[in-house]
Amino acid sequence: ETGVTQSPTHLIKTRGQQVTLRCSSQSGHNTVSWYQQALGQGPQFIFQYYREEENGRGNFPPRFSGLQFPNYSSELNVNALELDDSALYLCASSSRGTGMSGYTFGSGTRLTVV
Amino acid sequence: QKEVEQNSGPLSVPEGAIASLNCTYSDRGSQSFFWYRQYSGKSPELIMFIYSNGDKEDGRFTAQLNKASQYVSLLIRDSQPSDSATYLCAVMEYGNKLVFGAGTILRVKS
Repeated sequence: ETGVTQSPTHLIKTRGQQVTLRCSSQSGHNTVSWYQQALGQGPQFIFQYYREEENGRGNFPPRFSGLQFPNYSSELNVNALELDDSALYLCASSSRGTGMSGYTFGSGTRLTVV
Repeated sequence: QKEVEQNSGPLSVPEGAIASLNCTYSDRGSQSFFWYRQYSGKSPELIMFIYSNGDKEDGRFTAQLNKASQYVSLLIRDSQPSDSATYLCAVMEYGNKLVFGAGTILRVKS
């Protein structure tokens, strides 16, 4: 059983650019959630995808968008990058009905905006 | 918006002592609570989850929940230097979405 994998592990972008982060969910999991963790803070919920549709969104602007594919993998896209977008981006997969015992985080993508 | 509050620490304990980490939450209707451990530069790792009032034990870890006081705690017995990390408390909202506290830094001194 493979875990949640994220790519890339590290990324440096310039303010105003666009970025795409990728996540492959754990085998058997159909729900993917994305979190942003700024330095010294807890993770904050960005959005969740279930069956290829957005299923809940946190307090993030529309320039944060996402996709989920038929194989349940997911992408997080951020347009018009700002310095404050520098953070660790975490993807978590889960499966409806299994409860939170199945909430597995990937290793994260460290995004630095300069 | 549900809120989760934790003392940022750092909490320093000697090796072999009991570390006590605390968390309060704002939504009285919250049902599920989680403790994650996060080493520097790594992603959060689930330690324990608890749904019912009282204590839940797993090895050296004990989670305690008091819904009346809206308080959840994590006790680590026989603390080891390898337990030094940030401990995140989280509450689940409807739809499997977690609300995290800012975390407590634990330092275990040998």
